[in-house]
Amino acid sequence: NAGVTQTPKFQVLKTGQSMTLQCAQDMNHEYMSWYRQDPGMGLRLIHYSVGAGITDQGEVPNGYNVSRSTTEDFPLRLLSAAPSQTSVYFCASSPNDVGTQYFGPGTRLLVL
Amino acid sequence: AQSVTQPDIHITVSEGASLELRCNYSYGATPYLFWYVQSPGQGLQLLLKYFSGDTLVQGIKGFEAEFKRSQSSFNLRKPSVHWSDAAEYFCAVGLTGGGNKLTFGTGTQLKVEL
Repeated sequence: NAGVTQTPKFQVLKTGQSMTLQCAQDMNHEYMSWYRQDPGMGLRLIHYSVGAGITDQGEVPNGYNVSRSTTEDFPLRLLSAAPSQTSVYFCASSPNDVGTQYFGPGTRLLVL
Repeated sequence: AQSVTQPDIHITVSEGASLELRCNYSYGATPYLFWYVQSPGQGLQLLLKYFSGDTLVQGIKGFEAEFKRSQSSFNLRKPSVHWSDAAEYFCAVGLTGGGNKLTFGTGTQLKVEL
């Protein structure tokens, strides 16, 4: 199993550009989440999903959209990138409500 | 509001010395708790987890943690640190029925002196 995969590994955007961060898992996990990691702030939840077709907002959802059309994929969309969205983004999946979250390798995003 | 506190931003220990990393949480209900480790440029790896039962939990790489409900703490310990343990450590907390949403602490950076 590949586990949780994320693409791209690194991306540079200009302010106002849009892009989609890809996340896929091959473990048939129902729960998936997106976090951003900033120095000194730990990981903060952006959006999460408890199954295909169901998404909800986390702690810092502004400027981001998600969808969950399949169990495997959970893309994160930046609608109009801002320098404040410069961060490392992690996707995670879990088999159930109290299950361990398995993390992808992360996407490092720089917004100029 | 739910919160997780890791009061030590940086800790330096000598190789072979014991280690304790602190984690305190503020939740209204009984949480389930994790410790994750992150090496530079890497994702997060699970060290151990507490859900219920025995309050002393054993994890990988010789780590253990003890859940103390009265102190709202879940401190991570290791009796003898190895140089390869140098990394950043995160405590995380979730609530049963909460949709698998985790709240993370801000992390503790561990440096190991040889």
